[in-house]
Parts: sequence; C-alpha cells; structure tokens
Amino acid sequence: AQSVTQPDIHITVSEGASLELRCNYSYGATPYLFWYVQSPGQGLQLLLKYFSGDTLVQGIKGFEAEFKRSQSSFNLRKPSVHWSDAAEYFCAVGPGADMRFGAGTRLTVKP
Amino acid sequence: DTAVSQTPKYLVTQMGNDKSIKCEQNLGHDTMYWYKQDSKKFLKIMFSYNNKELIINETVPNRFSPKSPDKAHLNLHINSLELGDSAVYFCASSLGRRSYEQYFGPGTRLTVT
Repeated sequence: AQSVTQPDIHITVSEGASLELRCNYSYGATPYLFWYVQSPGQGLQLLLKYFSGDTLVQGIKGFEAEFKRSQSSFNLRKPSVHWSDAAEYFCAVGPGADMRFGAGTRLTVKP
Repeated sequence: DTAVSQTPKYLVTQMGNDKSIKCEQNLGHDTMYWYKQDSKKFLKIMFSYNNKELIINETVPNRFSPKSPDKAHLNLHINSLELGDSAVYFCASSLGRRSYEQYFGPGTRLTVT
C-alpha cells in the first residue's frame, strides 16, 4: 500500500532564508507526487505535482520540488521564504482515489 | 467562482445530535471525497464516490453516512455525534478515480460539545 513520510513535524526558518521540506514515499508503481499547502483556517491548495518527465518541477509561489526515484523522495524547496509562507505543508502520493497524504510539516517563519 | 464548496463552514452542536455537511463541485469531476483532519492536522480519507458509486469506505463508524445525489454533490450525514467527531471535514474532487490531483473545499469545522 502506498504511504508518505514527512520526517519533520515542525520547521522554523528566518524570512529570506532557503527552505527544504522532506518527503519520502512508498508506492508500487510509477508514483504521482504532490505538494499541498494549507494556510491557517483554509483548505488545501495544490503547490505542484509530478507525473513524469523532468524530475525538477516548478510550482506556484516560487516553490519547486525534485523527484529522486533512487531515494524515493520528493523534497520541496524554496530559495527565499516569505512570512506569508507560514503554513502546513502536505506531501501526497498516488493519483485520484489512491492518493494518500503525509502527516504534514508545519512551517514557522521568523521575522 | 468557487470550485469546491462546503456548507456550513462552522458547525457547533451537542453530543447525540445528528448533523449534515454538504459539498458541491462545479468542476465537472466524476470523483469526490470526504476527509477528516484531526487536531494534529492529520488527514484521513473517509469516503470516496465515483459517478455516485461508493468506491472507498475506510474504517469509519457507521454513524457516518455519505450520500451522493449526483456526481456534483457529496453530502456527509453524522448520527449521534460524539466528542471525538470534533474535527475539520474536507470535501475534495478529482477528474476521475485514476486522475491526478484532488481539489479541496474550504473545510467545515465541526465542534461537538
């Protein structure tokens, strides 16, 4: 069965610093991978997705993620974090009805 | 022009009551979902319907009953509410059961007192 592990429950970074959120997955076939963001009191918004092709994918709000099959990872990165990026981030694997989510990583941004 | 909408946004009720949450999507998607998000933000899939047919029914108390009158609507009815039902409930949809991403509604915060 597919599963997702986000090793970091909570990360704090300073505004302007770079960010990397980790995600490891387990999936029997070619994985469909996603990152979602949940701002306080809001629903989940899709940041980016990977299905095939270039392993470095660009998303909204300046985020990117890199798929590494050998490491079963799909880490999310941003070169310079803004205060408005403070939110909960979820990695997910699997298309459609097979989608399963990680436990989430809460990002705090220090001024 | 909201893609996935839920009503109500907030729901406060007492133990033992019965309540419903409604979800509608205007994306033309075939597949809809209900998730429960607990206080630690963990997202748990509860149900999924594809073209009004139940395709996912995770281990959920049978006090929870989903109903899909048509493929644009998926409602969640909860009987005999308990304190542990307090959570945020999200509706989502995808183009099909094997189709890529899911689109989420804004959530319904249910508080049982």
